[in-house]
Amino acid sequence: AQKVTQAQTEISVVEKEDVTLDCVYETRDTTYYLFWYKQPPSGELVFLIRRNSFDEQNEISGRYSWNFQKSTSSFNFTITASQVVDSAVYFCALAGGKLIFGQGTELSVKP
Amino acid sequence: NAGVTQTPKFQVLKTGQSMTLQCAQDMNHEYMSWYRQDPGMGLRLIHYSVGAGITDQGEVPNGYNVSRSTTEDFPLRLLSAAPSQTSVYFCASSYETDTEAFFGQGTRLTVV
Repeated sequence: AQKVTQAQTEISVVEKEDVTLDCVYETRDTTYYLFWYKQPPSGELVFLIRRNSFDEQNEISGRYSWNFQKSTSSFNFTITASQVVDSAVYFCALAGGKLIFGQGTELSVKP
Repeated sequence: NAGVTQTPKFQVLKTGQSMTLQCAQDMNHEYMSWYRQDPGMGLRLIHYSVGAGITDQGEVPNGYNVSRSTTEDFPLRLLSAAPSQTSVYFCASSYETDTEAFFGQGTRLTVV
């Protein structure tokens, strides 16, 4: 069975702080894909990143970075120097036959 | 580029009423799915389809039916609405199961 767990329900930081959103997954598949999506207050879902299970290299995109560790079944997301515009709900997801999402982490960045 | 179109955006139903949430995509995607979003529960998969004529149950399928007669359309039917089905519903499509998913704008459904 597939499962994605985002243990942090809500995180509140002050602007310019770094913040890490945790994601732990379970799957019996050897080939699978992991994703992060952002849901800003306007409600739409925005794709951020897709990684396959064979690529454990960390990824950096501007202030965003992702750390994939197969040994701990984790795919964590770090925002460096957070900004108010980063305030949103962030979802981690796992694809292996179907796309399953975690519970989401609501990030609030205060000025 | 329409992408994924969901209708309606808002709906209020009385308990026991039936309705269909419409979802259409114009990207020739094979994989389509329906999710419901409830506070603290994230996005939970209701039903999904890997192609026309093929559907399967997700995590929370009870009370919902789907069909996929064409590649473009994937309607979600509530046969007898219940207050527990009050939620925000999202339709999504992707080229394959493990590629980037594109989401509709969501339908906010209230069952009274």
